[in-house]
Amino acid sequence: EDKVVQSPLSLVVHEGDTVTLNCSYEVTNFRSLLWYKQEKKAPTFLFMLTSSGIEKKSGRLSSILDKKELFSILNITATQTGDSAVYLCAPNRDDKIIFGKGTRLHILP
Amino acid sequence: SAVISQKPSRDICQRGTSLTIQCQVDSQVTMMFWYRQQPGQSLTLIATANQGSEATYESGFVIDKFPISRPNLTFSTLTVSNMSPEDSSIYLCSVEDVPGQGNGEQYFGPGTRLTVT
Repeated sequence: EDKVVQSPLSLVVHEGDTVTLNCSYEVTNFRSLLWYKQEKKAPTFLFMLTSSGIEKKSGRLSSILDKKELFSILNITATQTGDSAVYLCAPNRDDKIIFGKGTRLHILP
Repeated sequence: SAVISQKPSRDICQRGTSLTIQCQVDSQVTMMFWYRQQPGQSLTLIATANQGSEATYESGFVIDKFPISRPNLTFSTLTVSNMSPEDSSIYLCSVEDVPGQGNGEQYFGPGTRLTVT
């Protein structure tokens, strides 16, 4: 059975801190791993990772995938209050995405 | 990436009634998906909407409860039938960008927040 486990489930930090969000997965016919940010209703696409060890960066956000250990992390440096959201890890298999429960991140000013 | 719109953005419905949610994309896409997100839960795939054929439903979801139409490559509807309070959720449509190239990036519409009383 496909499994996606995100940790921590929730996290509260102060503005300016760096956070690391974790995602472990077990899916059949793995194709890629996606990260999303969900603030209200619609998840916003952040990254797609297909290869191990290649870091993807976008501003203060970065992510990396380990296909051997079935693991991915999402880093956010110099956090801002606008980073407060639920971050979803989503392995993609055979054109179907399996979503984790997410990490709820709250940034205190 | 594709621009996706959904209507309605929210609705409050009485139990026993049905609601049809529309999803419109600004470009032709091969694959469209419908998800449900119940309060406090993550996203669960309901079905893949296939153009010109019946939708493919995930385990636990049936066509009688969630009929789906896909009349062309830019539009789909999801109907939530005979609603009960347990159907109160956010319903989201999504599309896979750059279809056929195996990128796997999916983009989401703004969602429909449904409350059943």
